[in-house]
Amino acid sequence: SAVISQKPSRDICQRGTSLTIQCQVDSQVTMMFWYRQQPGQSLTLIATANQGSEATYESGFVIDKFPISRPNLTFSTLTVSNMSPEDSSIYLCSGGQPNTEAFFGQGTRLTVV
Amino acid sequence: AQSVSQHNHHVILSEAASLELGCNYSYGGTVNLFWYVQYPGQHLQLLLKYFSGDPLVKGIKGFEAEFIKSKFSFNLRKPSVQWSDTAEYFCAVNGNSGYALNFGKGTSLLVTP
Repeated sequence: SAVISQKPSRDICQRGTSLTIQCQVDSQVTMMFWYRQQPGQSLTLIATANQGSEATYESGFVIDKFPISRPNLTFSTLTVSNMSPEDSSIYLCSGGQPNTEAFFGQGTRLTVV
Repeated sequence: AQSVSQHNHHVILSEAASLELGCNYSYGGTVNLFWYVQYPGQHLQLLLKYFSGDPLVKGIKGFEAEFIKSKFSFNLRKPSVQWSDTAEYFCAVNGNSGYALNFGKGTSLLVTP
């Protein structure tokens, strides 16, 4: 199993600013993903964080808005850029190995005012 | 398009009642199936998973799910719920050639004493 820690757990940010969320896994994992969970909604995949290369973004998500880094097999960051109230959501990091369960961090609850 | 449907968005049960939450998916090819649970204020946890073999899988806390390939379904069951089962339940699917999970919209379960 893997334990995933996210920081910060919550934040309130002014519109137009940016927030970087950190995700640390306690063991090396092949796959890391970032999801968004908007109020009352399910989890939507933002992107796959690729170690040492650019992330792979899902339709509707772009690198300029959600830049992602993954410098090694245990760490990734997601930045929410130029925030607006519509970005208020829970952002979740996930990691795991192929064809096994995915583990999730506790999420970062972001409120943009 | 790949999709996951959960039929019940809000379920209220009395303690000791039986539970069945529906999940249907639309996917081409072989799939891996999961049920995750999110207790209030906590992160997503895996309840059970199906990759292959016996289509009836047993998970933690007395939960089980049955994979019916012909119906593209993976329904979650528990014979007798407890107040502590109050949580949000998510069905998720990935194809064996892709690792990111596709989540259903979730079912909010409230168990009353």
